[in-house]
Amino acid sequence: GESVGLHLPTLSVQEGDNSIINCAYSNSASDYFIWYKQESGKGPQFIIDIRSNMDKRQGQRVTVLLNKTVKHLSLQIAATQPGDSAVYFCAENPGGSYIPTFGRGTSLIVHP
Amino acid sequence: EAGVTQFPSHSVIEKGQTVTLRCDPISGHDNLYWYRRVMGKEIKFLLHFVKESKQDESGMPNNRFLAERTGGTYSTLKVQPAELEDSGVYFCASSQLGPPSGNTIYFGEGSWLTVV
Repeated sequence: GESVGLHLPTLSVQEGDNSIINCAYSNSASDYFIWYKQESGKGPQFIIDIRSNMDKRQGQRVTVLLNKTVKHLSLQIAATQPGDSAVYFCAENPGGSYIPTFGRGTSLIVHP
Repeated sequence: EAGVTQFPSHSVIEKGQTVTLRCDPISGHDNLYWYRRVMGKEIKFLLHFVKESKQDESGMPNNRFLAERTGGTYSTLKVQPAELEDSGVYFCASSQLGPPSGNTIYFGEGSWLTVV
């Protein structure tokens, strides 16, 4: 069936580097995408979202890129900090649905 | 403004026992969701309330799980009898009633359930 997934389960980076977390989706009806960050012992926290009529959206130190042609979503974190260490989930909302579908998550480890 | 709150934060029960998890959504949020994450796996949808009505319960694994939202405020998720495979983190989330999509949902910190 259609699903949301991630290319890499774990990403290790050095503090100060830029991080890129990737996500593939296969539901062509999805029109809204969200990135969540889950720190250890906490619930998922909204980071940034993007609608399908956009291909890029920027936040504070984060950028989400959407490539609808290849059904690919990425989260870029600039100047990664130890506090960015967490599991990052992408989620998609199929058109007409209130309910986001999550992938497995990527664990980001930032080394000082 | 208070966020989504869940109780208990952690629970360890024996197989066959009953556990009831509670969720208080953000005030004014009509939409309430339950999700579950089993160790190392994806966050899976369980069910969705709009006010007191179950809008979608397609993710409920079996009839040992019962969710309620009487009065359209807080919600409970009861597992009876609990099995080992029910262990995981149960997340509650809420959102305002909005457009068909693009509805940002806010998560609680989860109820960590261990069945032994």
